[in-house]
Amino acid sequence: DTEVTQTPKHLVMGMTNKKSLKCEQHMGHRAMYWYKQKAKKPPELMFVYSYEKLSINESVPSRFSPECPNSSLLNLHLHALQPEDSALYLCASSHPRYTEAFFGQGTRLTVV
Amino acid sequence: SQQGEEDPQALSIQEGENATMNCSYKTSINNLQWYRQNSGRGLVHLILIRSNEREKHSGRLRVTLDTSKKSSSLLITASRAADTASYFCATGGGGAQKLVFGQGTRLTINP
Repeated sequence: DTEVTQTPKHLVMGMTNKKSLKCEQHMGHRAMYWYKQKAKKPPELMFVYSYEKLSINESVPSRFSPECPNSSLLNLHLHALQPEDSALYLCASSHPRYTEAFFGQGTRLTVV
Repeated sequence: SQQGEEDPQALSIQEGENATMNCSYKTSINNLQWYRQNSGRGLVHLILIRSNEREKHSGRLRVTLDTSKKSSSLLITASRAADTASYFCATGGGGAQKLVFGQGTRLTINP
């Protein structure tokens, strides 16, 4: 299994809603990432988890709250988002010894 | 923060032609990777070249790396319509390190 699975594929939420994005991999990867991508732009790193611990936070606003409950799962909790947070949110994972990252298909988030 | 620039930003060619994309980066690297992204979907790893390598091939892909100029190029030979996608170079990554992407080249292959 070389897949990273993200759910949901699409999400529309109001600015007062609370929602969560989920990411799952069963490749034994111990590094997991959240990226945000706006249209026609490259992915921008948000968070990195290493062995279930948050190792990098790229000064992301607190309305985004990551969680890594176990080695296979990564969540991104969303609260009080702004319309400018609308984007494609990508999850990725990588093996501790190798550089290649495996990406999920993303969640297309629209904040209304 | 983004690592560097890619050019061209957009490239449109006829099927069967070769496509060349360039990437420049700013800091010293251990390796450089290329990824492909089909419209609005996830990224797929294409190829990795290490800092002590100058050229690498994988199928119809050829990557070069010039560390003295801090630049890399990706050549896709005999292009196909299915190659239509955005292509990104990336540096870093591995061991839970940052993987930082260039601005990307949007490649369109016309049938």
